[in-house]
Amino acid sequence: AQTVTQSQPEMSVQEAETVTLSCTYDTSESDYYLFWYKQPPSRQMILVIRQEAYKQQNATENRFSVNFQKAAKSFSLKISDSQLGDAAMYFCALNTDKLIFGTGTRLQVFP
Amino acid sequence: DTGVSQDPRHKITKRGQNVTFRCDPISEHNRLYWYRQTLGQGPEFLTYFQNEAQLEKSRLLSDRFSAERPKGSFSTLEIQRTEQGDSAMYLCASSSANGRFYEQYFGPGTRLTVT
Repeated sequence: AQTVTQSQPEMSVQEAETVTLSCTYDTSESDYYLFWYKQPPSRQMILVIRQEAYKQQNATENRFSVNFQKAAKSFSLKISDSQLGDAAMYFCALNTDKLIFGTGTRLQVFP
Repeated sequence: DTGVSQDPRHKITKRGQNVTFRCDPISEHNRLYWYRQTLGQGPEFLTYFQNEAQLEKSRLLSDRFSAERPKGSFSTLEIQRTEQGDSAMYLCASSSANGRFYEQYFGPGTRLTVT
């Protein structure tokens, strides 16, 4: 079975600080993609960042970066210089034709 | 590019009634997915289409649920004889070509409340 686990139901960070959200996954596939999606309150799911499993280099998108450890099946998201607009639910997802989501981490950003 | 749209955005229905939701994907995308999201949880996969062919259905999709994509463009999800446990957000997503390697773009969802 393919699973995605997010062990932090809630996280908080102060504006301009850095926060890391954790994610572990399990799959028997050798070829897959991993994503982080953001879901603001009452708004639709937005893709934040993607990582191809065959690439060793960690993906980076502006203030968002990942730490991808394939052997450990770990895929954490680092948000640098946090902004108030980063407050949302963040979902880690494994893509093997369909998306398998974790239960999410609610991120609060304090001024 | 108008994005993925879903209609209606909200639906309140009484237990036992039938409901139908519509999803219009991004025009050049040939894959269309349906997910269900309950409060405080991540979305769960229901089914997906490549063009008009329904390629996979989750065990979550009971016999009361049916999805179609008749011309490979928009899709409908029908729930017959709704139950209170069907109350959830129903999300539609689309992607291009091989869905494994392409990110899925989500619509705003249809929130269903069964009273």
